[in-house]
Amino acid sequence: QKEVEQNSGPLSVPEGAIASLNCTYSDRGSQSFFWYRQYSGKSPELIMSIYSNGDKEDGRFTAQLNKASQYVSLLIRDSQPSDSATYLCAVTGVTGGGNKLTFGTGTQLKVEL
Amino acid sequence: SAVISQKPSRDICQRGTSLTIQCQVDSQVTMMFWYRQQPGQSLTLIATANQGSEATYESGFVIDKFPISRPNLTFSTLTVSNMSPEDSSIYLCSVAQGGSGANVLTFGAGSRLTVL
Repeated sequence: QKEVEQNSGPLSVPEGAIASLNCTYSDRGSQSFFWYRQYSGKSPELIMSIYSNGDKEDGRFTAQLNKASQYVSLLIRDSQPSDSATYLCAVTGVTGGGNKLTFGTGTQLKVEL
Repeated sequence: SAVISQKPSRDICQRGTSLTIQCQVDSQVTMMFWYRQQPGQSLTLIATANQGSEATYESGFVIDKFPISRPNLTFSTLTVSNMSPEDSSIYLCSVAQGGSGANVLTFGAGSRLTVL
């Protein structure tokens, strides 16, 4: 079982729709959860972090965390073509003093006009 | 957040040679991380570089292949030694931000290496 799993996609949504990206993780002791966006040929950039169960909203983005289910998701409302990118879920593990960030393989999102 | 300058941005290398990638940060940071992103893959942590101590390597990565230097709190280098085509990848330097731990990462632009 991979430590952090994501559907590779591509996930295609029409402009203006809600895009829902999902991630599961295997380390039940994980403490911190992140979503990074990576445009083609670019380095990843942090868009959301979440540390406790529930929802966290930032503009058009909402991160949802359910530690009991070991599940974290990212919702993008009013999707725009500029949101087309690969979204990487990242989780800190218990090993390495809680500092090691493990990335999923990413979900490619395509927002279509 | 910190600004990270990484070079070279890309290079084409011959099999058996070595290349050193430099990472410069505009502020002092305790922990610097080197990641590899192979084509179509996600990021894999190579090692953690702390100033004044030996780098900590992840499983599957060894110092002889990926020697790392960390001479001060703003600079680090990663060398990819005795390269083979399998080393063709993007190598990313990153630093930790945030007071609660080394969790929030900022990445450099990456160094895209192609080994022929």
